[in-house]
Amino acid sequence: EAGVAQSPRYKIIEKRQSVAFWCNPISGHATLYWYQQILGQGPKLLIQFQNNGVVDDSQLPKDRFSAERLKGVDSTLKIQPAKLEDSAVYLCASSSRPGTGGNEQFFGPGTRLTVL
Amino acid sequence: DQQVKQNSPSLSVQEGRISILNCDYTNSMFDYFLWYKKYPAEGPTFLISISSIKDKNEDGRFTVFLNKSAKHLSLHIVPSQPGDSAVYFCAAEAVGSNFGNEKLTFGTGTRLTIIP
Repeated sequence: EAGVAQSPRYKIIEKRQSVAFWCNPISGHATLYWYQQILGQGPKLLIQFQNNGVVDDSQLPKDRFSAERLKGVDSTLKIQPAKLEDSAVYLCASSSRPGTGGNEQFFGPGTRLTVL
Repeated sequence: DQQVKQNSPSLSVQEGRISILNCDYTNSMFDYFLWYKKYPAEGPTFLISISSIKDKNEDGRFTVFLNKSAKHLSLHIVPSQPGDSAVYFCAAEAVGSNFGNEKLTFGTGTRLTIIP
């Protein structure tokens, strides 16, 4: 079974530029998550999709971040314009059994973003 | 407000001995707790979970203990092996009435180093 794929793996941009990250979840997984992990901290949920609908985006800075999941499969996360504090690893995860509790989320390798 | 806390940023243990990683939480609505393990340049991988109605869950060398009254959980690894060297994240989930919206709240992680 292929894991969660993310690209690019690394990205360096100047502040005020825009950037987009792509995620392909495990086949058949209806739930997709985007997390932000700042150095020295744990992952923080930005947005959760169930199929192509948003379940939770309460911690997404909507003035600069946007995300979509077309056709309930792949997803993109965009930052425009980027700020220095957006430097972090952006993790995508997927799961197959929402509502059961203790449900394992499968994470991709992440995209390391550096904003200069 | 850090709802899930891992107060030890790092821990070193001799190979073959027991590793004990600790985690405290403040939100009494959490009803599932999970441990994830993370190697450098990889996404976190699920290790073990426990429901709040249990006080112990065991899987091979890994055992998680939950003390609800103290809002404390711990992960025991016995015996510790060099491949266990990684960052371990404690995470908590409040399923309850949030069916389909199982948001994980992560701690800041503990870096475990197993000394050969």
